[in-house]
Amino acid sequence: DVKVTQSSRYLVKRTGEKVFLECVQDMDHENMFWYRQDPGLGLRLIYFSYDVKMKEKGDIPEGYSVSREKKERFSLILESASTNQTSMYLCASSAGTPETGNTIYFGEGSWLTVV
Amino acid sequence: GNSVTQMEGPVTLSEEAFLTINCTYTATGYPSLFWYVQYPGEGLQLLLKATKADDKGSNKGFEATYRKETTSFHLEKGSVQVSDSAVYFCALSNNAGNMLTFGGGTRLMVKP
Repeated sequence: DVKVTQSSRYLVKRTGEKVFLECVQDMDHENMFWYRQDPGLGLRLIYFSYDVKMKEKGDIPEGYSVSREKKERFSLILESASTNQTSMYLCASSAGTPETGNTIYFGEGSWLTVV
Repeated sequence: GNSVTQMEGPVTLSEEAFLTINCTYTATGYPSLFWYVQYPGEGLQLLLKATKADDKGSNKGFEATYRKETTSFHLEKGSVQVSDSAVYFCALSNNAGNMLTFGGGTRLMVKP
């Protein structure tokens, strides 16, 4: 079975804290993604990675960074959390070949509240 | 650039009613199209997909047909159940990196 695991389902952090959201996939996928989901805005891509140590900015990278030291793990980092980063964060992964039909698999999400 | 437009919700239906959620897209080339579903408190799950024009994706009684001439991928189900209550996202992907562009989501509420 396909598995994308996000380490924390619910977090509450203070403004200015450094926050780490961890994601692990067990499918040997090349591509990994971080999205945030907000009511009325759907899902917006923050960062993605298509290989170890590679990263690309998505649509809303400001205030975030990422780390991919191992193929199975993709971390999202909020350097200094702010209240406007209160959101649900979704990690996803996919294989890199078109033959897969471009299916992307999602984790269950991490609810982050910044107070 | 790519974009996906979905009908705004919430959509409220009685059990066994017919469901249509509209989705239209703008994209270069020949995108793959998807419907994802998010049940309360959970992440997104792939519901169905279509990778070329005139393909029909189907799963769990839901279906959607890739219409290139109208750039649409409307989701339909003949008889909804209370357990279908969820948020539905239309999405497209048209690059080897498999990035998805999502619509804003449509909340479906089915009443007994």
